[in-house]
Parts: sequence; structure tokens; C-alpha cells
Amino acid sequence: DVKVTQSSRYLVKRTGEKVFLECVQDMDHENMFWYRQDPGLGLRLIYFSYDVKMKEKGDIPEGYSVSREKKERFSLILESASTNQTSMYLCASGLTGYETQYFGPGTRLLVL
Amino acid sequence: KQEVTQIPAALSVPEGENLVLNCSFTDSAIYNLQWFRQDPGKGLTSLLLIQSSQREQTSGRLNASLDKSSGRSTLYIAASQPGDSATYLCAAPTSGTYKYIFGTGTRLKVLA
Repeated sequence: DVKVTQSSRYLVKRTGEKVFLECVQDMDHENMFWYRQDPGLGLRLIYFSYDVKMKEKGDIPEGYSVSREKKERFSLILESASTNQTSMYLCASGLTGYETQYFGPGTRLLVL
Repeated sequence: KQEVTQIPAALSVPEGENLVLNCSFTDSAIYNLQWFRQDPGKGLTSLLLIQSSQREQTSGRLNASLDKSSGRSTLYIAASQPGDSATYLCAAPTSGTYKYIFGTGTRLKVLA
């Protein structure tokens, strides 16, 4: 079974802090994705990566950056957290861009 | 740009009923379409991936159909059970990209 894990289930941070969200997958998938999910807006793609050190912006990359130094790990970085980044963050991986995406359990981030 | 709509937003049915969830998309040049299930506060679980060359895909009591020409997909759930209560989301890629656009989901409640 594919397993995608995220470093935290719940996180509380203060405005202006630098925040790191980590995602690890154990299936040697090429592609990894970061989404945020907000009520009424659904899931929106922040960034995705199709190979180590390769990344591409999604629909809402502003205020975020990513890092993929190893194939199994994809990090989302909030350079200076703001209250409008309070959200549920979901990581996913897939063998290729068009294959089934496997999701982690999510990190619920609250920025005060 | 791809837009994905799911109607209704919420649905309540008695146990044992067969039901259909609807998904519509605007860009019919899709490679595939995915259906997911999400339990409250959790990540997404892949249910079915239907390729553009397929018209139907089945898994147990679930059957997904795809009509690219009309921009519609349906998820049919047979003999619904209380354990089927969850939010069901569909996702379709923007043409030529790995960027999946998700609908906002249908929240299903199956009453015992």
C-alpha cells in the first residue's frame, strides 16, 4: 500500500513565522503535489514537483515555496506566515502526473 | 481553464438506496478523471480513475462513467450504506498539464 505521511496533523503558528510542512512518500513516485483546502473553494494546487529539484507553480503559489532534495520528500515552506494561510494542507504523490494521486492525512494550520 | 462543478453540494438518502453523484467539467480534452472520497478531517482516498478512452470503470458497488463530449461524469453507488457517508470529489486535469482541478464535492449522508 502506498503511504504518504505528513509531519504534523495540527500546527499553530504566529504571523510572520517561517513554517515548514513536510511530506514523505514510500512508493518511489516521481510526482508530488501540495494543495490547500478551504471551505467553499475546494482543493487548490499550490506547487507540484515532477522530479528531484524540479518544481512547477500551481494555481496559488504566492506566499509559498517548495523544496524537493530527495525523491521521497517534498516540503512546503511558508516564508512569512499570514492569517490568510490558515487552512488544511494536503500532500499527494503519483507515479506520473496522470496516474492516481495518493493523499496524506493533511495538516491543519492555524496562523494567529 | 478547466472548471469542475459538482451538484448537489449535499445529499441525504436512506440506507439501501442507489444513488448518482454528478460531476461536470468545461474542458473536454482531458486525459482522465478521478473520483475521491474524503472523510471529515482526513485526506482524500482514491476511488476510481477513468481514462479518456473508457466510458466506465467499476470497483465493487461503485461505478463511474465518463462522457467527454458532454463534459460529464457520474459516480453511481449501489445499495448505499451508512459507511458510505463522506464527501465525494471529482478532479479533472487542465488540458496538457498535470494540474488537476477539483470540484467542491458532494457531501453524502446515508441514514440507517
